[in-house]
Amino acid sequence: GAVVSQHPSRVICKSGTSVKIECRSLDFQATTMFWYRQFPKQSLMLMATSNEGSKATYEQGVEKDKFLINHASLTLSTLTVTSAHPEDSSFYICSARAGTGNSPLHFGNGTRLTVT
Amino acid sequence: GNSVTQMEGPVTLSEEAFLTINCTYTATGYPSLFWYVQYPGEGLQLLLKATKADDKGSNKGFEATYRKETTSFHLEKGSVQVSDSAVYFCALSDLMNDMRFGAGTRLTVKP
Repeated sequence: GAVVSQHPSRVICKSGTSVKIECRSLDFQATTMFWYRQFPKQSLMLMATSNEGSKATYEQGVEKDKFLINHASLTLSTLTVTSAHPEDSSFYICSARAGTGNSPLHFGNGTRLTVT
Repeated sequence: GNSVTQMEGPVTLSEEAFLTINCTYTATGYPSLFWYVQYPGEGLQLLLKATKADDKGSNKGFEATYRKETTSFHLEKGSVQVSDSAVYFCALSDLMNDMRFGAGTRLTVKP
């Protein structure tokens, strides 16, 4: 079946540094990728939707300059948390979809970011 | 670690049929449980959730009860409609670990 690989699974960084999270579709071409943020025991919060080769569409309240999303190819999307602060500590998860219409989502295993 | 096992699809039903999509989980502690839905051409939406044992989540005619004794959170609807055709994901989250999703179940409802 379709596999989405998200890397790293865990990262600890210092306040003020930037962190890049990668989301790769291993055996299919992902025309659309989604990035979510999740707090413990809470629901997912959609951050942005990215289509290959175009700018990401951010949800209201999500800072574009803070969370940089690049969907440079049909198999890779990256989320960069710039100038990270402790309040950015969270679980980030990506999902990918091949094609359009009825295509299902496939999820990565997520990245636990801790900013110290 | 935590995990979610979801009934494999696809599931095809006639309109007004009864729906059950099974979901069982493995977790330490007391996770919150969720059902998400993905309609054709759209992103993921939260359908319903339950945060403790015996809670029943409900929305749009769908229900799921958090059963700790059977570690289950089965999704049910008494009478499905064509507009319910979508992919349904079961998920869990707790304080110590990250969210885990089931593989998703595609439901097709025929008129």
